[in-house]
Amino acid sequence: QVTLKESGPVMVKPTETLTLTCTVSGFSLSNARMGVSWIRQPPGKALEWLAHIFSNDEKSYSTSLKSRLTISKDTSKSQVVLNMTNMDPVDTATYYCARMTYYDFRLDPWGQGTLVTVSS
Amino acid sequence: QSALTQPASVSGSPGQSITISCTGTSSDVGSYNFVSWYQQHPGKAPKLMISEVSKRPSGVSNRFSGSKSGNTASLTISGLQAEDESNYYCCSYAGRSTWVFGGGTKLTVL
Repeated sequence: QVTLKESGPVMVKPTETLTLTCTVSGFSLSNARMGVSWIRQPPGKALEWLAHIFSNDEKSYSTSLKSRLTISKDTSKSQVVLNMTNMDPVDTATYYCARMTYYDFRLDPWGQGTLVTVSS
Repeated sequence: QSALTQPASVSGSPGQSITISCTGTSSDVGSYNFVSWYQQHPGKAPKLMISEVSKRPSGVSNRFSGSKSGNTASLTISGLQAEDESNYYCCSYAGRSTWVFGGGTKLTVL
């Protein structure tokens, strides 16, 4: 069974850096046919794709947030980490990680999500 | 990477069919057959309903179907049931290893 679970702080202060971890099970981060994406959703708003890491460690980022995002992975720990710098209250959102398969670019399954609030 | 355009809301009565549109550009929806659809109930994580424009994963009801014409993809739900009431999001590959979501559509079953 494939599962993903997000973890990280519940709250961060403005200007701080957010670090989120996605721990996966049921598949390997070295599997050439799969990767992991991060997606966020502000309360009551739409989903927004943020970043993706491929099995070969290639990374891609949302154009609008590229300067603030860093994605990385530790294959031995089955973890994908997302860092977002200079947090602002508008970054308050539920952050999800999801597995992506490369033959169809489906995001499946998703983690349960973790709500991060940015407030002083 | 502008968000794909979806209607904010659609509604239908039990047993009816509804269609949710997802309009992008020639740089995303129009260029790739990598449009997927996700169902999200309030407070829950999204669930994959359709991939590659029209492919249903195992376990998803055959009442859900997808299609695409030009820069617009569509999700059709036939034989509406109360349990279909939810939020629906489309997602498209946008080239250069990036993806873009739609603004979401709230489906109300009357």
